[in-house]
Formats: sequence, C-alpha cells, structure tokens
Amino acid sequence: SAVISQKPSRDICQRGTSLTIQCQVDSQVTMMFWYRQQPGQSLTLIATANQGSEATYESGFVIDKFPISRPNLTFSTLTVSNMSPEDSSIYLCSVERARSGTKNIQYFGAGTRLSVL
Amino acid sequence: RKEVEQDPGPFNVPEGATVAFNCTYSNSASQSFFWYRQDCRKEPKLLMSVYSSGNEDGRFTAQLNRASQYISLLIRDSKLSDSATYLCVVGPYNQGGKLIFGQGTELSVKP
Repeated sequence: SAVISQKPSRDICQRGTSLTIQCQVDSQVTMMFWYRQQPGQSLTLIATANQGSEATYESGFVIDKFPISRPNLTFSTLTVSNMSPEDSSIYLCSVERARSGTKNIQYFGAGTRLSVL
Repeated sequence: RKEVEQDPGPFNVPEGATVAFNCTYSNSASQSFFWYRQDCRKEPKLLMSVYSSGNEDGRFTAQLNRASQYISLLIRDSKLSDSATYLCVVGPYNQGGKLIFGQGTELSVKP
C-alpha cells in the first residue's frame, strides 16, 4: 500500500479566496492524481500530475481554476482558485503503486473536505 | 450515458444474506477493473481487482464479462462491517492512468 498524507483535512473558506491542498507520499511515485467528490456523488478525476511536466487536465477542468504543482516525486499541491460555493467538495489525491501479479493500484489520501461560504 | 453505471442503492439486507452488485461500462477498450469500498466520510479503498476469469477473496467474488461489458460483485454471508458504498471502477489502460468511478451502491447490513 502507500502512506499518503493530505492536508488540510477540512477547511471553510470565503468565496473569492483560494485554498492550496497538499499531498505527501511516503515514497517516490511517477503519477499522482487529483479527484473531486461532490456531495452525494462519486469521484471525478480533475488532473494527472507528473513530475517535471505540466499536469494533464480532464474535460471540464482548467489550469487557471485548479493549478497543480509537482515539484518532486513525493509531493504535489492542488489549488482551488477564486472559490465559489459550487466548489464545496471533497478533494482527494491518489498515487499509483505496482502490486505483484496484478494491475497497478491507486491508493487515496484521506481527502480534504472543503466548504465555501 | 455514463461511462460506468451501477445499480442504484441503497441495498438493505440482514446479516448473513448474499447480495450482488452489478455494473456496466461503456468503453469496450477498457483494460482494468476494480471494486473499491468507501466508508462514510472516508477515502475509497481497494476491495479487489477484477480479472477476466473471475476471482474470489474470502466472502467476495468478482466477475467480468467483457462481451457484455459487465462487472459484478457478490458478497456472501454479509456482516455488519460490510456496510459501505461499493464503487465499480474502470481503467482505460492496461497499466496505470486514470480511473473512472461509478456512482456507487450503498449497502446497509442490519442485525
């Protein structure tokens, strides 16, 4: 498995402000992912973050709104910019690890529960 | 049409019951299949990978039918601790990359 530390675990923010979420992994990984889970919904991939290159964003997500940094192989940040109440969600980072005899597995951080007023 | 669709929940079953969850996916080129479990207010955790030949892990059995683009999860002898949301997850690539999550099926096991 993987030990993933994500912080903050929760925050309440005012509209128009920005929040940066940090994700730290216990060992080097090539790919890190950022997901959003809106209330009562399943997970939606925001972007894939590879070290040394720009993040790859999924349809409906843009860099100006969700800038991502990946300065090294154990760390990434996601910023939620110019927040509105519609951004209230759980944001989760995940990493991929190889498992013997099976496909690569994604492991998730505990998530950041964001409420925007 | 959603890329991954699951049975709508919730499923309310008594302890000891057998319960089955179904899932369909739209991309016939999908390569990786998983069931994840998500407890209330927690992150998703891998329950099991799903292989073409079907696979079993204790009380849990997963099946994959590529021709029908259908995945199932069978839970036998349900325990109270099985209460959670079960997420059907599909990966487009053989190794690595994005995952597409179903909306989840909530299971509640009652005494």
